[in-house]
Amino acid sequence: LAKTTQPISMDSYEGQEVNITCSHNNIATNDYITWYQQFPSQGPRFIIQGYKTKVTNEVASLFIPADRKSSTLSLPRVSLSDTAVYYCLVGEMGVRNQGGKLIFGQGTELSVKP
Amino acid sequence: ETGVTQSPTHLIKTRGQQVTLRCSSQSGHNTVSWYQQALGQGPQFIFQYYREEENGRGNFPPRFSGLQFPNYSSELNVNALELDDSALYLCASSLEVTEAFFGQGTRLTVV
Repeated sequence: LAKTTQPISMDSYEGQEVNITCSHNNIATNDYITWYQQFPSQGPRFIIQGYKTKVTNEVASLFIPADRKSSTLSLPRVSLSDTAVYYCLVGEMGVRNQGGKLIFGQGTELSVKP
Repeated sequence: ETGVTQSPTHLIKTRGQQVTLRCSSQSGHNTVSWYQQALGQGPQFIFQYYREEENGRGNFPPRFSGLQFPNYSSELNVNALELDDSALYLCASSLEVTEAFFGQGTRLTVV
């Protein structure tokens, strides 16, 4: 699985848009990019997955440039409840579909302030 | 709620003791994976069980062992506990290679 690099922490204020960038220079042709969210003392929760260009769901958007060596998770108008750790994962067939054999990095700790 | 339940939620053990953690998977899921998450780190894959057989293992010593039962619930056993085993232990269930859903975890403290 490709190695990923993310900022260790980010701060934001309520109502702002937050963009978290993940670097994955060695991404392979068959790899998908997946983001998970984890609140303290809870298990990680799937947010979004994509292969190229842009993916949007009710929670977030995922932007992937043409070279796919990085990706940006965008959280629109964050609230205090978005304070969590966000993990970027890269893997073949989409890590969402690997039945639980997931390789997590250190993640980005997002703190949203009032 | 993911439908994955773990017990107990918190546990304190003494170094050298043995511990058993339990996980009930989501209804219909036949695959269970276990993770160890140390404070400030991402979850680390321990092993996976599929239809009662081990189906992949991470970089953990043999004193970490597991079981999966016919109803697909699972146990994680750790022998000869060490201080560094203190962590949040997460269980995730899935139906083969579909999306995995995590439980709330068991917080193990070894003193």
